[in-house]
Amino acid sequence: EPEVTQTPSHQVTQMGQEVILRCVPISNHLYFYWYRQILGQKVEFLVSFYNNEISEKSEIFDDQFSVERPDGSNFTLKIRSTKLEDSAMYFCASSVGPGLNYGYTFGSGTRLTVV
Amino acid sequence: GQQLNQSPQSMFIQEGEDVSMNCTSSSIFNTWLWYKQDPGEGPVLLIALYKAGELTSNGRLTAQFGITRKDSFLNISASIPSDVGIYFCAGAMNSGYSTLTFGKGTMLLVSP
Repeated sequence: EPEVTQTPSHQVTQMGQEVILRCVPISNHLYFYWYRQILGQKVEFLVSFYNNEISEKSEIFDDQFSVERPDGSNFTLKIRSTKLEDSAMYFCASSVGPGLNYGYTFGSGTRLTVV
Repeated sequence: GQQLNQSPQSMFIQEGEDVSMNCTSSSIFNTWLWYKQDPGEGPVLLIALYKAGELTSNGRLTAQFGITRKDSFLNISASIPSDVGIYFCAGAMNSGYSTLTFGKGTMLLVSP
C-alpha cells in the first residue's frame, strides 16, 4: 500500500538552530499537510499546501515556519530558529484531492527534540 | 478555535470486553473521523462518517455520527490485545474542507 515517508524519524537540534523536516508524499497526491503533536497532547494542524502555495495555515504556523516543494517528490517543513516548545512529533499527510473522501494518509512522523 | 472533547482519557480493560468512547463539540462538524495511533507511528484512519445519523462498521469497530452533528462515538467489540493504542476523533467542517481538528485521544490498554 502506498505510504507517506518522513525522514529523519528522530532529530535532535540545539535551540536557535534551523531544522528541515522532509516528507515524500504518495506519488499521485496533490495536497500536502503538516501537523504536529506535542508529547501526550492532541494532533494539531499546521499548514496545507497545494499547487505550490499555502492554502491554509493555523496560528501555530508563524514566521518561523515555512514549507516548500523543492522538486516533484519532496515536501519540506523548515523551522528557522527552533525553540524548546517546538519539540514535538511532526506528521506529514497527503491526499489526492482537497477533501477527506479523496484519501488522507499520514506519515509515521519525525520526532523533533530541541535542547 | 474549534475544540473536540474526547472521553474517557484512558481505559484499561480485559480482552474480550466491549469498549465505547465518544467525542463532543460545541460547534458543528459535517465530517467525523476516527483514527488509531500506535506508539511512534502516525494516525491511521479507522472509520469516516459523512452524514448525520450515519452508523458505520469496520470489522469489530462501529462508529456513529450524532444527529446534532456535534458528537460521535466509537465502539470496539470483543477487544483483543492488538487494539491497544490511542484513539483520536477528528472533525472537519465538511468533506471538501481538508483541515482536521483532533480530540485529545483515548488511550486504550487491553489485558490478555
